[in-house]
Amino acid sequence: GDSVTQTEGQVALSEEDFLTIHCNYSASGYPTLFWYVQYPGEGPQLLFRASRDKEKGSSRGFEATYDKGTTSFHLRKASVQESDSAVYYCALSDRGSNAKLTFGKGTKLSVKS
Amino acid sequence: EAAVTQSPRSKVAVTGGKVTLSCHQTNNHDYMYWYRQDTGHGLRLIHYSYVADSTEKGDIPDGYKASRPSQENFSLILELASLSQTAVYFCASSGQGRAEQFFGPGTRLTVL
Repeated sequence: GDSVTQTEGQVALSEEDFLTIHCNYSASGYPTLFWYVQYPGEGPQLLFRASRDKEKGSSRGFEATYDKGTTSFHLRKASVQESDSAVYYCALSDRGSNAKLTFGKGTKLSVKS
Repeated sequence: EAAVTQSPRSKVAVTGGKVTLSCHQTNNHDYMYWYRQDTGHGLRLIHYSYVADSTEKGDIPDGYKASRPSQENFSLILELASLSQTAVYFCASSGQGRAEQFFGPGTRLTVL
């Protein structure tokens, strides 16, 4: 079945540091890829998505590029802020799956000022 | 603005008891989902539905039932709650043919 692997379970940074969260996927078809963000006490919300190879998704200074060759969709931000502290989930939706999402285990980002 | 609400927001249940978690959406979406969230496991799909009066099993359906009496409402039922079902439960909705999901605020369930 489909799967998503996030390498980092937790990341601790200082403000203005560069962020990378690694996401690799396995899917039988040609999936759409997502990054969701979850702030404390809330449900996850969509950060952005990408649907085809080499497409870049971006929002709020975060970005990720769909790479079919390496089956990756790594999340990056050049300069993090304390307000970025949250849990980040990579997810995929296989196009034949009735819009089901498969999530990674999540990465907790903590940013100190 | 998309809106998904869940009730209750928090519940304590006894082992062997029946628990019903409710979800209501005003997005006019066809798809609704139930997930559980556990530390170290992320979000896992329990049941989902793409039309009223029909539900489908997700990846971890054992010990759970679901009910979709209308487009707006989707319930998750634990007939015999167990300690292992202590978790945070999220409901979500999405439009037909679109995979972006809108999540509710979650229900924290503790089974003692």
